[in-house]
Amino acid sequence: AQSVTQLDSHVSVSEGTPVLLRCNYSSSYSPSLFWYVQHPNKGLQLLLKYTSAATLVKGINGFEAEFKKSETSFHLTKPSAHMSDAAEYFCASHGSSNTGKLIFGQGTTLQVKP
Amino acid sequence: KAGVTQTPRYLIKTRGQQVTLSCSPISGHRSVSWYQQTPGQGLQFLFEYFSETQRNKGNFPGRFSGRQFSNSRSEMNVSTLELGDSALYLCASSLSPSGATEQYFGPGTRLTVT
Repeated sequence: AQSVTQLDSHVSVSEGTPVLLRCNYSSSYSPSLFWYVQHPNKGLQLLLKYTSAATLVKGINGFEAEFKKSETSFHLTKPSAHMSDAAEYFCASHGSSNTGKLIFGQGTTLQVKP
Repeated sequence: KAGVTQTPRYLIKTRGQQVTLSCSPISGHRSVSWYQQTPGQGLQFLFEYFSETQRNKGNFPGRFSGRQFSNSRSEMNVSTLELGDSALYLCASSLSPSGATEQYFGPGTRLTVT
């Protein structure tokens, strides 16, 4: 069965330093992968997606992610954290190629310290 | 374009009652999915609709049901509410149910069961 694992439940960085949020997936094929962000009391906002094109994917707000099939990873990075990046981040995979069902990781809370 | 809208935003119900939540997708989107978000279980897939047909259903009891109308708007219903149904219910819309298609989420309906 497919699964998504976010390796850190909480990450704390200082403003201006790099961000790394880790995600591993388990799938019998190359899935579509997504990163979403959720600010308090809000819905999910799509940051970026990978769909078997370029392995380095650029998203909104300076985020990017690299798909590594050999490591079954899809880690999210940003060179320099802003205070406004503090939120919860979710990595997700599609259940299969012909369904919209998303399988989510447990989420990573990003804290940004001034 | 207007985003995904969900009504109501907040709801308080008593155990044993039933509830109906509504979701209006982005104009032109024909696929709607529902997710339940709780602190303990995270984000879990409920069901997916496309062209008024349920394509996929998550592992939830029969008390959870949904439907989609000809204008792509969707409703979900929970009967005989239990305390454990307290959650944020998120609706997402996409152009199609293809695995590569990104989903856009609404702000959610916060259901509290007392």
